[in-house]
Amino acid sequence: ETGVTQTPRHLVMGMTNKKSLKCEQHLGHNAMYWYKQSAKKPLELMFVYNFKEQTENNSVPSRFSPECPNSSHLFLHLHTLQPEDSALYLCASSPGTGGHYEQYFGPGTRLTVT
Amino acid sequence: SQKIEQNSEALNIQEGKTATLTCNYTNYSPAYLQWYRQDPGRGPVFLLLIRENEKEKRKERLKVTFDTTLKQSLFHITASQPADSATYLCALDSDSNYQLIWGAGTKLIIKP
Repeated sequence: ETGVTQTPRHLVMGMTNKKSLKCEQHLGHNAMYWYKQSAKKPLELMFVYNFKEQTENNSVPSRFSPECPNSSHLFLHLHTLQPEDSALYLCASSPGTGGHYEQYFGPGTRLTVT
Repeated sequence: SQKIEQNSEALNIQEGKTATLTCNYTNYSPAYLQWYRQDPGRGPVFLLLIRENEKEKRKERLKVTFDTTLKQSLFHITASQPADSATYLCALDSDSNYQLIWGAGTKLIIKP
């Protein structure tokens, strides 16, 4: 295991539902990330948190709302999603931000929006 | 903006041969380049990092090269095994301090 856990592993939700994805890292890292991965496409960075502070928000629609209560936990709150939001959502952590740090990924949440 | 190209077609290699995957990038030159392995239904796993002033990096059967003139990195797996079958992603640092830019990955299939 990588030291990064994600729950749930699979989620099916309707467009009017509200749900949350949870990520926890046991590595003592300071940075945490949310990525979206669609088939045959590169990883899309959604949010970056460094020392609990959000440092990047890559023009993500407001129907995705992140929360980072401490350096070990990261949530992604979902509401009124669209079918095109169906994807694998990956959480990652790293000791710090910057290209010289490797990232450790969780197993992902497979999200299906119906 | 930075763009990364990896072979979109799957690469089929006979067991025991060397597999070579390519990562090309455009625009500015990154200071760091990373390679990851991703198995179906799982998150990527870090393999190797190479710096712009390093020509080559090795780890067991893995070798990565970084040619800043060609704007290219090559990832080699020697003595390939069926267990090496996976999708391999390259990523490089962006001009932002917080992001890695990712390629779409190349699927590698090692046939017994």
